[in-house]
Amino acid sequence: AQSVTQLGSHVSVSEGALVLLRCNYSSSVPPYLFWYVQYPNQGLQLLLKYTSAATLVKGINGFEAEFKKSETSFHLTKPSAHMSDAAEYFCAVSDMRDSSYKLIFGSGTRLLVRP
Amino acid sequence: AAGVIQSPRHLIKEKRETATLKCYPIPRHDTVYWYQQGPGQDPQFLISFYEKMQSDKGSIPDRFSAQQFSDYHSELNMSSLELGDSALYFCASSWGAITPGANVLTFGAGSRLTVL
Repeated sequence: AQSVTQLGSHVSVSEGALVLLRCNYSSSVPPYLFWYVQYPNQGLQLLLKYTSAATLVKGINGFEAEFKKSETSFHLTKPSAHMSDAAEYFCAVSDMRDSSYKLIFGSGTRLLVRP
Repeated sequence: AAGVIQSPRHLIKEKRETATLKCYPIPRHDTVYWYQQGPGQDPQFLISFYEKMQSDKGSIPDRFSAQQFSDYHSELNMSSLELGDSALYFCASSWGAITPGANVLTFGAGSRLTVL
C-alpha cells in the first residue's frame, strides 16, 4: 500500500530563508505524488504534482519539488520564504483502486515564518 | 472558475443527533471523495463515488453513510453523533479515472462539525 511520511511536524524559518519540507514515500508501483497547502480555516489547495514526467516539478507561489526515486523522496522547496507562506503543508500519494484515485496524506508539516 | 461547494460551512449538533453534509462538485467532475480531518490531524479518506456508484471505502464508521446523486452532488449522512466526530469534513472532486496522476483532486473549503 502507498504511504507518505513527512519528517518534522513543525518547521521554522526566517523570512527570506530557504524552505525545505521533507516527504518520503512508500509505493509498490510508480507513484503519483502531490503537495497540498492548507491555510488556517481553509481547504486544501494543490501546490504541485508529480506524474512521472519531469522529476523537477514547479508549482504555484514559487514552490518546487524534486522526485528522487533512489531516495524515495519528494521534498518541497522554496528559495526565499515569505510571511504569507505560513501554513500547513501536506504531502500525498495517489492510491488507485478501481476508478478511485484517492489521496493518502502525510501527517503534515506546519511552516512558521519569522520576520 | 467554479469550485467545489460544501454546505453547511459550520454545523453544531448534540450527541446522538444526526447531521447531513452536502457537496457540489466542479461541473463535469464525476468523482467525489469525502475526507475527515480531526484537530491537528491529516485528512483521512472516508469514501468515494464514481458515476454515482461507491468506488472506494476507507475509515468510514458504520454510523455514516453517503451517496452520489444523478446530478453528481453527494451527501454524507452521520447518525448517532459522538464527540469524536467533531472534525472538518472535506469533499473533493475529480474528473474520470482515465489518466492516472492527472486525476487531480480539487477540495472544497470544508464543513466544520462540532458535536457537543
